Amino acid sequence: QVQLQESGPGLVKPSETLSLTCAVSGYSITSGYYWGWMRQSPGKGLEWIGTVYHRGSTYYNPSLENRVSISIDTSKNSFSLRLNTVTAADTAVYYCGRLEPGGIGSGYFKHCGQGTRVTVSS
Amino acid sequence: DIQMTQSPSSLSASVGDRVTITCQASQDISNYLIWYQQRPGKAPKVVISDASILETGVPRRFSGRGSGTHFTFTISSLQPEDIATYYCQQYDNLPLTFGGGTRVEIK
Repeated sequence: QVQLQESGPGLVKPSETLSLTCAVSGYSITSGYYWGWMRQSPGKGLEWIGTVYHRGSTYYNPSLENRVSISIDTSKNSFSLRLNTVTAADTAVYYCGRLEPGGIGSGYFKHCGQGTRVTVSS
Repeated sequence: DIQMTQSPSSLSASVGDRVTITCQASQDISNYLIWYQQRPGKAPKVVISDASILETGVPRRFSGRGSGTHFTFTISSLQPEDIATYYCQQYDNLPLTFGGGTRVEIK
């Protein structure tokens, strides 16, 4: 059974870069599937951030595309999120997940980590 | 972007009541529609996939219907453990988009 665990700083200063890692166990990332990130701002709904294919192709939400990057680290069986130039609006719980595939870059979060809370504040 | 309009935003019902949530897509998404259950402090969990397929291990009181632009999610007999917020999500097109959520409470 695949398991995912997010990790990273819980506090990031405005204008800095948010960096999170998702460690995957029970499945080799390079074997297949899309892997992705979504977030949930306090008291708000869910927002898709982006997806990376096991071969490295990436797909991002246009609302974040100029600030976000997602990459895979095959040596650690993990994938990472970087979000540049953060503001208070980026304060959220961030979830990583393995997506059940739909179309290219698409799918739904069949398996999720427990989430990690990130606050943007000075 | 495909807009997902979910209603109601919240509801309160008694144990044993039938509860129905609606999700409307701004364009045809066929059956590429997921329903998640999110309990407080927890990650979303898939309840219904492909608009109407019950996930393994999910009680049969949950069901989903619809295709195209109009979808419904029903709990046939509300139980205390069903207290959660429910979200729909389309995966027909990028960007993936979610409904605003329906908070279900016990009256």
